[in-house]
Amino acid sequence: KAGVTQTPRYLIKTRGQQVTLSCSPISGHRSVSWYQQTPGQGLQFLFEYFSETQRNKGNFPGRFSGRQFSNSRSEMNVSTLELGDSALYLCASSYETGSEQYFGPGTRLTVT
Amino acid sequence: GQQLNQSPQSMFIQEGEDVSMNCTSSSIFNTWLWYKQDPGEGPVLLIALYKAGELTSNGRLTAQFGITRKDSFLNISASIPSDVGIYFCAGRSGGYQKVTFGIGTKLQVIP
Repeated sequence: KAGVTQTPRYLIKTRGQQVTLSCSPISGHRSVSWYQQTPGQGLQFLFEYFSETQRNKGNFPGRFSGRQFSNSRSEMNVSTLELGDSALYLCASSYETGSEQYFGPGTRLTVT
Repeated sequence: GQQLNQSPQSMFIQEGEDVSMNCTSSSIFNTWLWYKQDPGEGPVLLIALYKAGELTSNGRLTAQFGITRKDSFLNISASIPSDVGIYFCAGRSGGYQKVTFGIGTKLQVIP
């Protein structure tokens, strides 16, 4: 069974731009969660989607948004990028909320 | 919001030594999880704990769910070089609640 895939793996953007990251969950998994990982803050929860509905949301500004498609693939979007948005963005899929999460390799975003 | 305090934040140990790390929370969790992250990879689940007092092993790894539901520890026995990485604790309150992660313990093993 293929694991969680994230594209792109690396991205460099400039301040003010917007970015879209993609996550394909493990086949059969309907829950997708997004996390931001930085050296000083660890893993911070962004949001979780289940069957195309946002089920949970972390404490991030409205510039961070996401969505899930009918095939469970998910995207997250960050608008008006700031230097502080530089981070590793991790996606995790699970069969259901509360079941074991499997993480993708992440997308490394650098904002200059 | 919920906060997890994980310690130590980094460790240097000799190969063959045992390692212990722990997490404490300001609130109660119904599930405790321990993950390991290798460089360039996403975290991988090592052990999941679902009941207060539960003690669970996975090879050389042992983790316990604290009786108060506010803490958990992870022990690694007889460390080897491939144990190098960042270990995260995580907790979930229950139901549809999100997972809260600790800041991580960076483990370095000296051969």
